[in-house]
Order: sequence, then C-alpha cells, then structure tokens
Amino acid sequence: DADVTQTPRNRITKTGKRIMLECSQTKGHDRMYWYRQDPGLGLRLIYYSFDVKDINKGEISDGYSVSRQAQAKFSLSLESAIPNQTALYFCATGRGTDTQYFGPGTRLTVL
Amino acid sequence: KQEVTQIPAALSVPEGENLVLNCSFTDSAIYNLQWFRQDPGKGLTSLLLIQSSQREQTSGRLNASLDKSSGRSTLYIAASQPGDSATYLCAVRSGNTDKLIFGTGTRLQVFP
Repeated sequence: DADVTQTPRNRITKTGKRIMLECSQTKGHDRMYWYRQDPGLGLRLIYYSFDVKDINKGEISDGYSVSRQAQAKFSLSLESAIPNQTALYFCATGRGTDTQYFGPGTRLTVL
Repeated sequence: KQEVTQIPAALSVPEGENLVLNCSFTDSAIYNLQWFRQDPGKGLTSLLLIQSSQREQTSGRLNASLDKSSGRSTLYIAASQPGDSATYLCAVRSGNTDKLIFGTGTRLQVFP
C-alpha cells in the first residue's frame, strides 16, 4: 500500500460548490503539507501542519481551508470553488527538514 | 523572496547520452536543496537531497552538485535510458523552515 494516499484522484465540479480533498499517510510523520501545481508555475504551498494543533498558511492560502483530523489525516477544502482553482493538488508528509514524501495527486477541474 | 529557475524547460535526447539539468536560485541562504522526479499521474519522488554544507550527492547514475555562492545546482544523469523520461524538479528550503520553493521543472524525454 502507498505511504501517502489522496482521494479523490480526479474530480470535476462546478463554480460555487464546496469540495474536500483528503490525504492520509502511514509514514508516522508529524508534518503534512498541501501544494497545488499549475503549468508553468511549479508547486506552491497552500497550507502546512506540524501537528494536529498547529496549522500554518502557505504561499497561496486564500480560498482554501484545512483540517488536521489526526496525525495521519489532513484535508483541504475549497469552500466555494472557482475556475482558477483548477489544478493538480498534492499532499506531502515529512519529518523536520528532511525530504518530503508526496501523494499521487488529485486533478481538480472547476467548470 | 526566493525564486527558483530551471533550464531548459524541456529536453529530448537519444538513449545513452549523458545530460545535465540546471537549477538556479536567487537567495544563497538555503538549508538544503532537493531534486525530485515526477511521472505523469504520479506524485513526486525524491531523488537526491544536498545539505547546504555539502557539494554533491550521488545515487546510481545520478549526481547532483550544489554551489551555494553562485546559487546553482546541477543534476547529472549518466548513460540516459528511456525509463529516465519524466519531469525533474528542484526545490530549495530557505533557512531552517518547512517551506520548499520549487522550480518549474525540466521535462526530459529519452528516446530509444
């Protein structure tokens, strides 16, 4: 089984809908991250969490919220999706400043 | 603000060639630098991590170098194979923080 899993893998939704992307990890890492990837812009950090009580905004947090339900679970929500949130979303985990381990990604399309 | 640039954006080479991918960053105060590989439909896989005090790291046919003072890193791939076809991303961690700043990647195609 994969160490970092994301659900769903693909999602098409309409403008204004609320969407939740979920991430689970079995690596036992305390730190979890959400990134989005857009063509030509690379990956950008949305939110990150050091533990269940510590949530931090990243570079592009506007329009997003997160929930760290447990050490192993970190969810990203789009309260009211808009077309420019169409992107590939990645969850990652890590321990300290070591390398981060990425999930397979969720491709989100907002019409 | 740290900015990371990768050149070239795309590269197509015949199998067997040795090749170099470039990564440059604007702020030399980095904690470490990583090279990742991204395959379509899959997440990122870490290839090499170089701490700021190191000059290079090697793994198999891959060798990554780091020159902090000039703000550059290179990823050398020896004897390229079609299985090396992927997008290669470099990312820097500035200071002792949790934030990785990514480049936009180099899309590599190795043809038989």
